[in-house]
Amino acid sequence: NAGVTQTPKFQVLKTGQSMTLQCAQDMNHNSMYWYRQDPGMGLRLIYYSASEGTTDKGEVPNGYNVSRLNKREFSLRLESAAPSQTSVYFCASSGQFSSNYGYTFGSGTRLTVV
Amino acid sequence: AQSVTQLGSHVSVSEGALVLLRCNYSSSVPPYLFWYVQYPNQGLQLLLKYTSAATLVKGINGFEAEFKKSETSFHLTKPSAHMSDAAEYFCAVYNQGGKLIFGQGTELSVKP
Repeated sequence: NAGVTQTPKFQVLKTGQSMTLQCAQDMNHNSMYWYRQDPGMGLRLIYYSASEGTTDKGEVPNGYNVSRLNKREFSLRLESAAPSQTSVYFCASSGQFSSNYGYTFGSGTRLTVV
Repeated sequence: AQSVTQLGSHVSVSEGALVLLRCNYSSSVPPYLFWYVQYPNQGLQLLLKYTSAATLVKGINGFEAEFKKSETSFHLTKPSAHMSDAAEYFCAVYNQGGKLIFGQGTELSVKP
């Protein structure tokens, strides 16, 4: 089925460890996004990529890096994980008319940093 | 800057009762507004959207929302709640930078 695929679904890290969250979409969308979801705070934008080859900071970029590997893939990297980065991470993508159609979301990665 | 505020982090209704989830927006330009639903341990799914074509918008699963410019509101309603409606609901506005800005979310519980 067409959509946004995130891996892994669950991950436990120790403080200071690094990891990369993977995201791929097969809808030929230009734009991709990484959000984090925390209780009572909704979804907050970490980074986004308006098109292949470009990335920009969102609302909460500190402690993260991203790579737009190609049009399909957009990865999020935690270089040195901290307990404050315990969260659910969502990747999303949007096409040319995103103001009319919104975003398509992946199923999320549940990350715990101990 | 565009923003949305959802009133009530938790709403509980009985099965068969009216569902009303509140969302107010702030925008200096005509907004594009969305409601998303998140079932437990799943991603977000688009429920409905307002893009200025009609003020009353119908979505999936019997939900609808009415855009009221005078009240800067976009409340989500469903006449009769079903147990399967239990989920978290997010209101969002599309900002001038081309990003979706989300509200804090409202968790809906449905009692039998």
